Amino acid sequence: EVHLVQSGGGLVQPGGSLRLSCDASGFIFNTYFMHWVRQAPGEGLVWVSRINDDGTSTRYADSVKGRFTISRDNAQNTVHLYMNSLRVEDTAVYYCARAVRIGATFYFDYWGLGTLVTVSS
Amino acid sequence: SYGLTQPPSVSVSPGQTATITCSGDPIPKKYAHWYQQKSGQAPVLVIYEDTKRPSGIPERISGSTSGTMATLTISGAQVEDEADYYCCSTDTSGNHIFGGGTKLTVL
Repeated sequence: EVHLVQSGGGLVQPGGSLRLSCDASGFIFNTYFMHWVRQAPGEGLVWVSRINDDGTSTRYADSVKGRFTISRDNAQNTVHLYMNSLRVEDTAVYYCARAVRIGATFYFDYWGLGTLVTVSS
Repeated sequence: SYGLTQPPSVSVSPGQTATITCSGDPIPKKYAHWYQQKSGQAPVLVIYEDTKRPSGIPERISGSTSGTMATLTISGAQVEDEADYYCCSTDTSGNHIFGGGTKLTVL
């Protein structure tokens, strides 16, 4: 059974940094792209970032480009999201998601439970 | 950049058919996928590749596309179908975009 267990998150001041982690199990981790999606309080889903199966290619939403870094450790079946220069508007629940690739597009067939990041002074 | 437009809310009585639309330029070129999110929970995939249903999703939930619009249909909606529903696709830049979400009320 597929499991995505998230950790990290919490309260951080504007300008601060945080690392989110997502531990995967129940599937062959190094054959799937992994993504992060966030949801601000009371708002909709917003895609944040993705990393390919071997970790050599990454992509970011314009709103986080240059501040967030996605990485993965295929030996540990873990994907991370390093968040720097955090802003109040980064406050959200962050979900990691497993992606199934169809050509140039993806759908997310399994999601973590989410972890709350609060950026506030 | 492209956007996906959904109605903010849809309301039906139990047993009626609920229809949620998602319109935008990516729809004819890239697949649409749909996610259900119940209050306080993580999203769940309910339709992928426009029309396909993952195992465990009830047959009353179906998807279709026509032109620049994707549609999620819940035939014989039940109280447990109350949730927010999001469509998702990919724009020409390869970025993943979600619709704004539709709150389905069944009462």
